[in-house]
Amino acid sequence: GAVVSQHPSWVICKSGTSVKIECRSLDFQATTMFWYRQFPKQSLMLMATSNEGSKATYEQGVEKDKFLINHASLTLSTLTVTSAHPEDSSFYICSAPKEGFANTEAFFGQGTRLTVV
Amino acid sequence: DAKTTQPPSMDCAEGRAANLPCNHSTISGNEYVYWYRQIHSQGPQYIIHGLKNNETNEMASLIITEDRKSSTLILPHATLRDTAVYYCIVRVAVGATGNKLTFGGGTRVLVKP
Repeated sequence: GAVVSQHPSWVICKSGTSVKIECRSLDFQATTMFWYRQFPKQSLMLMATSNEGSKATYEQGVEKDKFLINHASLTLSTLTVTSAHPEDSSFYICSAPKEGFANTEAFFGQGTRLTVV
Repeated sequence: DAKTTQPPSMDCAEGRAANLPCNHSTISGNEYVYWYRQIHSQGPQYIIHGLKNNETNEMASLIITEDRKSSTLILPHATLRDTAVYYCIVRVAVGATGNKLTFGGGTRVLVKP
């Protein structure tokens, strides 16, 4: 199947610093990618929709100035957590839809575990 | 996307079939039933999907009731590696926005030796 890769797999950063997470579709192009966040023992929550060549669309309650999304190419979207705080510690997951003839399938990255200390 | 209801957890014995139910009574005519699973600390993995007919692939079988208001995912011979959270999601099948997924609580499946 199609592959979506996230980097890094895990990161520890100091409070107040910024962290960039990359999401790449390795063998297909994706004009749209999605970013999710998952806290321990909870389900995935959609944060935003990343659109190639235009601004991201954020879900209600997600601060766009804190979670900067850049979809620079058809295979790369980045999520930057700015001025990170301990409450931003979470598992961040991206997905990229691969459009087919009959249906469009979402492929997920392996996730990035962010710990803010 | 239509809301789904799943039991929060279930145990099953290794080597036995695991039957995971899902209710989706408000499903629309153009929405498919999709199943994903998430093994601990990994991204979700697609399992199977269907519209109204039963479906089978190398991972599982999907049984959808005639009224489409509920479905059952069947893992025919559960292994320890099938321990995961299983999510039932109803969504449209085509278009990138169809993959803007709303995850419910899922069912936490523990396969025991």
